[in-house]
Amino acid sequence: QVQLQQWGAGLLKPSETLSLTCEVYGGSLSGYYWTWIRQSPGKGLEWIGEINHSGSINHNPSLKSRVTISVDTSKNQFSLKMTSVTAADTAVYYCARWARQQVLNNYYYYGMDVWGQGTTVIVSS
Amino acid sequence: DIVVTQSPDSLAVSLGERATINCKSSQSVLYSSNNKNYLAWYQVKPGQPPKLLIYWASTRESGVPDRFSGSGSGTDFTLTISSLQAEDVAVYYCHHYYSIPPWTFGQGTKVEIK
Repeated sequence: QVQLQQWGAGLLKPSETLSLTCEVYGGSLSGYYWTWIRQSPGKGLEWIGEINHSGSINHNPSLKSRVTISVDTSKNQFSLKMTSVTAADTAVYYCARWARQQVLNNYYYYGMDVWGQGTTVIVSS
Repeated sequence: DIVVTQSPDSLAVSLGERATINCKSSQSVLYSSNNKNYLAWYQVKPGQPPKLLIYWASTRESGVPDRFSGSGSGTDFTLTISSLQAEDVAVYYCHHYYSIPPWTFGQGTKVEIK
């Protein structure tokens, strides 16, 4: 059973860089997309971006200029960096796996089925 | 970008009664080539990560109780809890994954016990 364990600094000052890492246990990065999502206090879920094992990346355009997502297949990890954080970036950050199903020779991704435990990030001076 | 809007923002339902949450997308999320609606539903409880309940608009994830069901097609979707249980108190989100990013979520619907 695949599990995700995430970690990173939880308290940042404005203008600093957020850095989170997510490690995959019980499975491989291969063949899946791995994503970062956040939930701000009192707000809903926001998709940040995603990466696959070969480094193909998609970003949320609203955050793209500040976000870097990377993968380290040797460690079975993927990471998120977000520069120039402000109070608006205060949120619980989650890593997650896109679920997929195979139909004939194609894979269809249909939702996030495995999640990390979440990391609370607070940006405050 | 596809905007996903849920209604209501919150609802209170008696135990054992039906809860219905609506989700509307700003454009169709039905992919004609495979006839699938690229829409999922999640349950979020305080202090826990989201849990995938429904995908392809109406397919229940493994292990999800059958009192949860999803319906709809195109732009209009519904999540129904047929007989609300105490453990169903949560915020529910719909989520589109149609075509190209950004993937977006509805604003959430808080379900409480009346």
